[in-house]
Amino acid sequence: DADVTQTPRNRITKTGKRIMLECSQTKGHDRMYWYRQDPGLGLRLIYYSFDVKDINKGEISDGYSVSRQAQAKFSLSLESAIPNQTALYFCATSDPSGRATGSYNEQFFGPGTRLTVL
Amino acid sequence: QQQVKQSPQSLIVQKGGISIINCAYENTAFDYFPWYQQFPGKGPALLIAIRPDVSEKKEGRFTISFNKSAKQFSLHIMDSQPGDSATYFCAANSGSRLTFGEGTQLTVNP
Repeated sequence: DADVTQTPRNRITKTGKRIMLECSQTKGHDRMYWYRQDPGLGLRLIYYSFDVKDINKGEISDGYSVSRQAQAKFSLSLESAIPNQTALYFCATSDPSGRATGSYNEQFFGPGTRLTVL
Repeated sequence: QQQVKQSPQSLIVQKGGISIINCAYENTAFDYFPWYQQFPGKGPALLIAIRPDVSEKKEGRFTISFNKSAKQFSLHIMDSQPGDSATYFCAANSGSRLTFGEGTQLTVNP
């Protein structure tokens, strides 16, 4: 099945460390997104990419960077992790045409990475 | 600033009852309003969605009601089942970007 995968699924790190979260997809979608989920705050967009050469900041990009290595791969980096970056991180993909599902811009989410910064 | 506000934060309903979750938005440029369902340990998944030119959309036990003039929309789950226990997020789309509400944790007691 076409899927969205994230690695690692869980990560504990220390303040000041550099960490990379990886996302891969086999859906053939051009659009990819990174979100963080915090209790009571919902899902907030960190970065998004509409194709390999297109990278855009979301609403909470400070402290994060991304790399779109290929259509299928989109990585999120924390250059110097801090405790308030402790959260659940999700990668998502979409096909805005909705041809496959009939739903405009349906986003398909990976299983998430639980990151703890001590 | 939360552009999409969702309530309640948590909801407990008895099996067979009606679950109602409400959302309000500010940006009139939003052009599509989906609801996502998230089970523990999983990523969110699309449940149902509506365009602003429609006042209601029903899929099985799930209905979205949309009030464009009030800039509000809601999810109704009829005959709620324990398997519906999950976190629900409303969202609004603009330029292929989704803005999510804060989420509602629904518990359906047997």
